[in-house]
Amino acid sequence: QSALTQPRSVSGSPGQSVTISCTGTSSDVGGYNYVSWYQQHPGKAPKLMIYDVSKRPSGVPDRFSGSKSGNTASLTISGLQAEDEADYYCCSYAGSYTFNVVFGGGTKLTVL
Amino acid sequence: QVTLRESGPALVKPTQTLTLTCTFSGFSLSTSGMCVSWIRQPPGKALEWLALIDWDDDKYYSTSLKTRLTISKDTSKNQVVLTMTNMDPVDTATYYCARIRQTGTIDYWGQGTLVTVSS
Repeated sequence: QSALTQPRSVSGSPGQSVTISCTGTSSDVGGYNYVSWYQQHPGKAPKLMIYDVSKRPSGVPDRFSGSKSGNTASLTISGLQAEDEADYYCCSYAGSYTFNVVFGGGTKLTVL
Repeated sequence: QVTLRESGPALVKPTQTLTLTCTFSGFSLSTSGMCVSWIRQPPGKALEWLALIDWDDDKYYSTSLKTRLTISKDTSKNQVVLTMTNMDPVDTATYYCARIRQTGTIDYWGQGTLVTVSS
């Protein structure tokens, strides 16, 4: 069982928007503005899509956006495209007195 | 550009010790702020953070696995090594090495190496 809770699956049609939630606690998501999101296509390594809750690395389309409220972070993908179909994982710093990161269980995005 | 590549055995027997090597380029682990982590992913399952080593040779481990893990670095070779003792079939997974920031953001990943634990 993963430390962060994500829906198992979400779906949307091309051009639509979808939001993936990631719920943790005050010890991780709620305690730090260090939530990141990763996209993983089958058989591939994860790819950083969002970091520090809402920042986008260079090269990531602005269709991808992140936010956080309390203990829940969210990834929104607007203008869905076929290539967005993948697994998405959230991750949060959970360090306290030491270094620790926790992942969500992953969400399968299907583009209908 | 930053690259990381994992190497090690594809198959280990139960109770054996796994040794994985991460060879990287495009950055130096002697530079302040640089860190490398190991993360694994069992087939069809979620990612799990295992360990981190930083530029100052500080080491951090997953609470649930810390008794079995050792992480080390060879700065001159641009390598990070992870050992995991007493391997079990449940440890079957793809093991990734990655460059990680002190905030937990993983900005570069290796391609991963599948390790199967079976007799």
